[in-house]
Parts: sequence; structure tokens; C-alpha cells
Amino acid sequence: QVQLQQSGPGLVKPSQTLSLTCDISGDSVSSNSATWNWIRQSPSRGLEWLGRTYYRSKWFNEYAVSVKSRITMNPDTSKNQFSLQLKSVTPEDTAVYYCARAAVTTHYFNYWGQGTLVTVSS
Amino acid sequence: SYVLTQPPSVSVAPGQTARITCGGNNSGSKSVHWYQQKPGQAPVLVVYDDTDRPSGIPERFSGSNSGNTATLTISRVEAGDEADYYCQVWDSSSDRVFGGGTKLTVL
Repeated sequence: QVQLQQSGPGLVKPSQTLSLTCDISGDSVSSNSATWNWIRQSPSRGLEWLGRTYYRSKWFNEYAVSVKSRITMNPDTSKNQFSLQLKSVTPEDTAVYYCARAAVTTHYFNYWGQGTLVTVSS
Repeated sequence: SYVLTQPPSVSVAPGQTARITCGGNNSGSKSVHWYQQKPGQAPVLVVYDDTDRPSGIPERFSGSNSGNTATLTISRVEAGDEADYYCQVWDSSSDRVFGGGTKLTVL
């Protein structure tokens, strides 16, 4: 059974960088049969897919157009985790952030982290 | 960008059938997935690829997709089914897209 455990601060100041980590158990971040995603949810934007990282002989990252200029996702094979960094945040980035797993060649998310409420405020 | 439209709310009495729609341009040509989200919890996949159920999801949950509308049907609704439900697709121009969500109220 795959489990995803998120960690990171719940409060970030405007213009700073939001950083979250997702620890994976029951699977490997280097798996050739999974992709590792970040999704956020806010009342104003609903559920919004942010990006994914995955390994297919080499590492790939794909990001949503809405955040492409500000987002970085990185895998850490030594810790079996992956991370999200979103720079230059504004109050509009306030949301519950989820990490999620999708199986290869599918576009649905079958495992989710518990969610982290991140508030952008001074 | 691709848009999925859901009714904000659906109400149904216990034991009856709830139908939640998800409208999108030619959605019948895409695979639609459905999630259930209860307050304070992460979404849970209840139907994928239009009609399939993950293991552990009751047979009361079923899906269909044709034309411009996908539908999640919940038969013999129980109080525990009260939640928000979201549809989701992949679109080549919009990445992974979610509907706005439907709040299911069990009367």
C-alpha cells in the first residue's frame, strides 16, 4: 500500500519561496510505473494540478503553464521523497497543497498525501 | 483552456439514486475520473477511466461518459456518501483539469 506523508511550513511570507516535501512509502520515487505530482486546492481556484516528476531512464519534470515560471520539483532518491518549491509567492498562492501519485500512462491520482495548508501572509 | 462544469450541489434522500454531471466539450472522447472528498480530507478516487472502480469502492458507485457529459451515479445513497465530488480529465492543451466540484447532500 502506497502512503504519502507531507511536511513543510504552513506560513510563508509574500515574495518568499514555498517549500514542501512528500515522503513515499510502499513505492519508489524512481519507479518506472509511477509519476509524482503536486496539486493544490483553494476556494478561488478549486483543485489545480501544478506539476509532476518521474523517472524513465532519466528524470523528467512537467509543470502547469500557470506556475511554470515559478515552480521546481525535485526527486530525492536517497530519502525516497520529492519536493515542491514555488517562488515569489503571493496571497493568491494560499491553498491546501497535496502530493499525489499517478500510475504510468494514466492521468488519474490513486494515492494522495494528507494535505498541507499553506498561508501566504506577512 | 479546457473547462469542466459541475452543478454546485445535488440533494438526495437516503436509499435513492444520486446523479452528478460533469460537462465538457466532447468529454466523451476523453477518460473521466471522479473523486470523493470529505471535509478536512484528501480526495479519494472512486471512478477512473469513465466506468472503472478502484478496489474497495462499493459497486454503488458507477460512471458513464458520452457526448459532452460524464455522469457519476451513486445508487442506494447512504449518509456516509455526503461529500464533495470532483471530475477530472487530461487535456492536451490544459494538462490535468478538475471540475469545480459538486456538494452532495443526503437529506
